[in-house]
Parts: sequence; C-alpha cells; structure tokens
Amino acid sequence: GAVVSQHPSWVICKSGTSVKIECRSLDFQATTMFWYRQFPKQSLMLMATSNEGSKATYEQGVEKDKFLINHASLTLSTLTVTSAHPEDSSFYICRPTASSPLHFGNGTRLTVT
Amino acid sequence: AQSVSQHNHHVILSEAASLELGCNYSYGGTVNLFWYVQYPGQHLQLLLKYFSGDPLVKGIKGFEAEFIKSKFSFNLRKPSVQWSDTAEYFCAVSHYNTDKLIFGTGTRLQVFP
Repeated sequence: GAVVSQHPSWVICKSGTSVKIECRSLDFQATTMFWYRQFPKQSLMLMATSNEGSKATYEQGVEKDKFLINHASLTLSTLTVTSAHPEDSSFYICRPTASSPLHFGNGTRLTVT
Repeated sequence: AQSVSQHNHHVILSEAASLELGCNYSYGGTVNLFWYVQYPGQHLQLLLKYFSGDPLVKGIKGFEAEFIKSKFSFNLRKPSVQWSDTAEYFCAVSHYNTDKLIFGTGTRLQVFP
C-alpha cells in the first residue's frame, strides 16, 4: 500500500487565492521533506527542503514567501502556494525521507485560472 | 553544485530494439544514482538504484544500468524494448550521505509497435 499520501491530487483555483498541499508519511517518520515542482514536459526541480520543527531551506530562485512550507510533525508537511498566479500552475510532488529513494507522493496538479 | 545531464531528450524506437539512455553527473564525491520512470499520467516509479558494489545494476522490467565512475556516467539499458516502455525516464543523483535528489532533464522514450 501507499506509504506517502499527498492531497489533493488536483486543484483548480483562481488567481490571487492560496492553495495548501498536504503530504503525509503513513508508515514511517519523515524527519526531512523534499518538495519538487514539475512543469509540463520538464524534469522535477527541487524547490525546498524542510526538516521537522525547523525552517525550510529553499533552492535558489524559489520565493520563500510565496511557497510556504510547514513541517510541524514527523508525519505531515504542507506546502502553501500563496497568491497563486497562472505561472504557478504545475505539478507539485513531495518526498518524505527516512533514507529511502522510493517514496514520492503521487503529486498535486495545480491549475491557476 | 551537483548537476545531472541527460543528452537524449527524445528517443524513438521500434519494439524489440535495444535501448541506451545516457546520464552524466557532475560531482566529484561519492554519489548514489537512480533511474526513475514516469508513465503518461502517472507518478514516478523507481527503476533501479546504485549505492555501492557491483557497478552493473539490474532493475525492474528488464532494465539495467552501469555505473562508470571514471566517466561520471550511469547509462540505462534494455536489450529489447516494448511498446509499454513508452514513458519519460529520469536519472537522479544524490550525495552519498544525503537524501537530496537532483534530477536530470529527462528523456522521452516512444516505442512503436
């Protein structure tokens, strides 16, 4: 069964609104969470790395005030896209880690109209 | 900084043809190497991984990859492709003591019957 639950799987929102994406590790405690973004026909780009109980580390070019990451517990991390714009439309994927490369979330397809 | 290059952006083959997808990375230290597959409309799946030991790694669905340290390469191979292998293939690298995966740009494989 799935060991990573990412919700929602898809969401459509209006420009200017905020969207929260949840990622849960079901069978293990994830001290670290990686958040990726994948634009159509492109590769996965790492956005940020979060550690439970501390601030996330963002990759160069990723706006920390726009993509808010909360990793309050060992089983849950959230990514909030604030004031979303059409250019934020993408596929967002989480990867909680306990030294395993296998477990990605199923992704969230965000469409901003 | 680590980077991963996949020089074959789009590969078109007929069924039963042999496949080799290139992957090169730039990092001088010890690395872990991965190949993932993404079927149309689906999430990432791990094909195979290399951490240490035998540089020829066998994965699922008949795929294998060879780690050549001197060439900083980890090419993916399959002796005889099937139509069902049509997908996007991603090479990924992490430093040996971290879980931070860096992905290549991906190779789109199309197999025609």
